[in-house]
Amino acid sequence: GENVEQHPSTLSVQEGDSAVIKCTYSDSASNYFPWYKQELGKRPQLIIDIRSNVGEKKDQRIAVTLNKTAKHFSLHITETQPEDSAVYFCAASNSWDSGGGADGLTFGKGTHLIIQP
Amino acid sequence: DADVTQTPRNRITKTGKRIMLECSQTKGHDRMYWYRQDPGLGLRLIYYSFDVKDINKGEISDGYSVSRQAQAKFSLSLESAIPNQTALYFCATSDPWEGAGYTFGSGTRLTVV
Repeated sequence: GENVEQHPSTLSVQEGDSAVIKCTYSDSASNYFPWYKQELGKRPQLIIDIRSNVGEKKDQRIAVTLNKTAKHFSLHITETQPEDSAVYFCAASNSWDSGGGADGLTFGKGTHLIIQP
Repeated sequence: DADVTQTPRNRITKTGKRIMLECSQTKGHDRMYWYRQDPGLGLRLIYYSFDVKDINKGEISDGYSVSRQAQAKFSLSLESAIPNQTALYFCATSDPWEGAGYTFGSGTRLTVV
């Protein structure tokens, strides 16, 4: 089955700086790569996703890049703000749809992002 | 009203007891999932269901069972709870073409003593 590795486990950045979280996946058949944000005590929520037919996707201060050859994808957050503090999870699926396909989503172990004032 | 509701929110139970965690949704989604979250281990899939007649094991199904009573209801049971099943459990739903990913419930924090 799919295996998703996520690094780092904890990332501390100064407010206003950029943050980058990286994930690698094992299944070359994976096509859908979402990122979820989980604030303290809350449920995970989808913040951005990318499919394997594109290399980059951007939504305001967040962007995701995908390198299918190397089987890795990254989340980039620019101009970080206090409300960006959370745990971020990457995930992968061998389906094109956002519902996780036949086997559901396989998640990374999470990155705790801390924004220092 | 919450679109994916989990009950109970918190539960403490004793080793060997049977316990059921319930999930109901008003999203109208066919796909429902149970995940377990442990610190440092992320979210791991226990069971999933694509419709009432379709139940599938996930990565860590041992020690768990599920029931899909209706499109809107998906329950997770621990037949004989053990301490290493202490975790935060999330139910989630999805629609393949909505483009909104998973909708998670608020979670059930289960402690087995």
